[in-house]
Amino acid sequence: GNSVTQMEGPVTLSEEAFLTINCTYTATGYPSLFWYVQYPGEGLQLLLKATKADDKGSNKGFEATYRKETTSFHLEKGSVQVSDSAVYFCALSDQGNDMRFGAGTRLTVKP
Amino acid sequence: GAVVSQHPSWVICKSGTSVKIECRSLDFQATTMFWYRQFPKQSLMLMATSNEGSKATYEQGVEKDKFLINHASLTLSTLTVTSAHPEDSSFYICSANPDRRGPYNEQFFGPGTRLTVL
Repeated sequence: GNSVTQMEGPVTLSEEAFLTINCTYTATGYPSLFWYVQYPGEGLQLLLKATKADDKGSNKGFEATYRKETTSFHLEKGSVQVSDSAVYFCALSDQGNDMRFGAGTRLTVKP
Repeated sequence: GAVVSQHPSWVICKSGTSVKIECRSLDFQATTMFWYRQFPKQSLMLMATSNEGSKATYEQGVEKDKFLINHASLTLSTLTVTSAHPEDSSFYICSANPDRRGPYNEQFFGPGTRLTVL
């Protein structure tokens, strides 16, 4: 079945550092890929998404490229801020059906 | 657009009582909604798929009689935790899949309901 493997944290960075959170997937079809962010005590918010190979999703300085050859969708940001501290989930959805999530990566950014 | 609400956002109940959680799609219709459970510092676990007008589809290991799901309309699904016990304490999150599909097959998530059973 479909699954997502995500780099586990926690990840602690200093402000303005470069961020990479690795995500790889296994899927039988051609899924859409997502990154969600969860702030403390809140639900999930969509951060970015991509629907097909080589698509790049981007939002708020975060980027991720759908790499079919490596079955990856790594999240990157060039310069993190304290406000980026949250838990990040990689996820895939095959034709809009149930979504499979990675384990989540907790990011803490220190001033 | 594509807003999903949950009510209540936070509930405390006594052991043995039942708690109902509502999930509403505010500005779109959703034949299908999903219920997830999230333990502290863990990922989301799909509990069941809620289908309007028919029975919910439960994931393996989820007790149907314990977690009752009713998808009464195209904008409302409810999850009732029956005879709640402390081990049912968790963060419950619903999501809705719009009937009018966009290019990303995206689900929209509610803000979650934190259940604490004393």
